[in-house]
Amino acid sequence: EAQVTQNPRYLITVTGKKLTVTCSQNMNHEYMSWYRQDPGLGLRQIYYSMNVEVTDKGDVPEGYKVSRKEKRNFPLILESPSPNQTSLYFCASTRGEGNTEAFFGQGTRLTVV
Amino acid sequence: SQQGEEDPQALSIQEGENATMNCSYKTSINNLQWYRQNSGRGLVHLILIRSNEREKHSGRLRVTLDTSKKSSSLLITASRAADTASYFCATAPRLGYNQGGKLIFGQGTELSVKP
Repeated sequence: EAQVTQNPRYLITVTGKKLTVTCSQNMNHEYMSWYRQDPGLGLRQIYYSMNVEVTDKGDVPEGYKVSRKEKRNFPLILESPSPNQTSLYFCASTRGEGNTEAFFGQGTRLTVV
Repeated sequence: SQQGEEDPQALSIQEGENATMNCSYKTSINNLQWYRQNSGRGLVHLILIRSNEREKHSGRLRVTLDTSKKSSSLLITASRAADTASYFCATAPRLGYNQGGKLIFGQGTELSVKP
């Protein structure tokens, strides 16, 4: 089954404690992205990757890092989480640029206290 | 802001009625897509309409696109209680550079279909 898998689904952490949210896709997609979803703001792109070792900033990259060492995996790293990073996070993958749909993971609800 | 706008923000209808949601956007696009999200869960792709298309159908879904007005509408016919969800439009902007399949999302319409 084609899918994007995120872990964990729920996470409560304290300010400043480094964390990683994992994302894996089994569709051999080149493009992967991270979005955050906040009430009234819709989904906003954090970082994206066009292939292995190729990553770039999206619209709201501050406070986040990513890596793409393998095609299937695209982890999101928060080196020093802050309360304003409390949000619902989604990983997505697409086959390529152009007229293709995005496949989304189930989301990670992160709370930073 | 690059975000699109959706209208209405919330819509409540009875089962069997039609639901219409509208989306406006700001940039030139390659395509416009509609996604559905059940409460707090992942987004599921519903339909994609290319910038050179004006109307598209998929089952009970009908999407229109007016690029001159930078707007789109999603019509769900003969709605069911199971259609209760949030619906988002997302545009794939026509950029002069590759941005990894970027999508720009509207804020969504919360649809409630009462049995």
